[in-house]
Amino acid sequence: DGGITQSPKYLFRKEGQNVTLSCEQNLNHDAMYWYRQDPGQGLRLIYYSQIVNDFQKGDIAEGYSVSREKKESFPLTVTSAQKNPTAFYLCASSTGGRAWQYFGPGTRLTVT
Amino acid sequence: GESVGLHLPTLSVQEGDNSIINCAYSNSASDYFIWYKQESGKGPQFIIDIRSNMDKRQGQRVTVLLNKTVKHLSLQIAATQPGDSAVYFCAENMGDYKLSFGAGTTVTVRA
Repeated sequence: DGGITQSPKYLFRKEGQNVTLSCEQNLNHDAMYWYRQDPGQGLRLIYYSQIVNDFQKGDIAEGYSVSREKKESFPLTVTSAQKNPTAFYLCASSTGGRAWQYFGPGTRLTVT
Repeated sequence: GESVGLHLPTLSVQEGDNSIINCAYSNSASDYFIWYKQESGKGPQFIIDIRSNMDKRQGQRVTVLLNKTVKHLSLQIAATQPGDSAVYFCAENMGDYKLSFGAGTTVTVRA
């Protein structure tokens, strides 16, 4: 079955540590995205990538970094510079820029 | 601030009744809108979309209405079922690759 895999589902880290969240898709989609969701709120765009080896900052990119070395993979690193990293992180993909986005199951990150 | 928002944060509906979820947007240049359903602890799931050259689009048990004059979007769910309990988001396409999401409406179905 085609879809998006995010691992792990739950992640715990100590403050000051960098952590990388995995996102893999087998939908053959060109575009991939990372969103952050806080309790009771909508989704906010962190980074997106239209094609391999290219990515752009979203609305809240500070403290995050990404790479897009393969079409299937778009890992997100939450750095120690991110002041409030505890959140639910969602990865998505789409066929293009004006198409609906398909979401993965999410990773809940807790930093203490 | 957000350009897409929902009128009501919560909606309680009797099982079997129809549900109407509303959404207002502020960018008159937006030309593509999407409704998502998110169950607790899961990623959003696509329900239906509509482009600005349409006023209405129907899916299975769902209908989306778009009123460009007042910049309003609604999702109608027919014969609401317990499995429809979730948070519903509308999303507005802000230009290529960017969606703007509202805070969502939590729908609770009463048995």
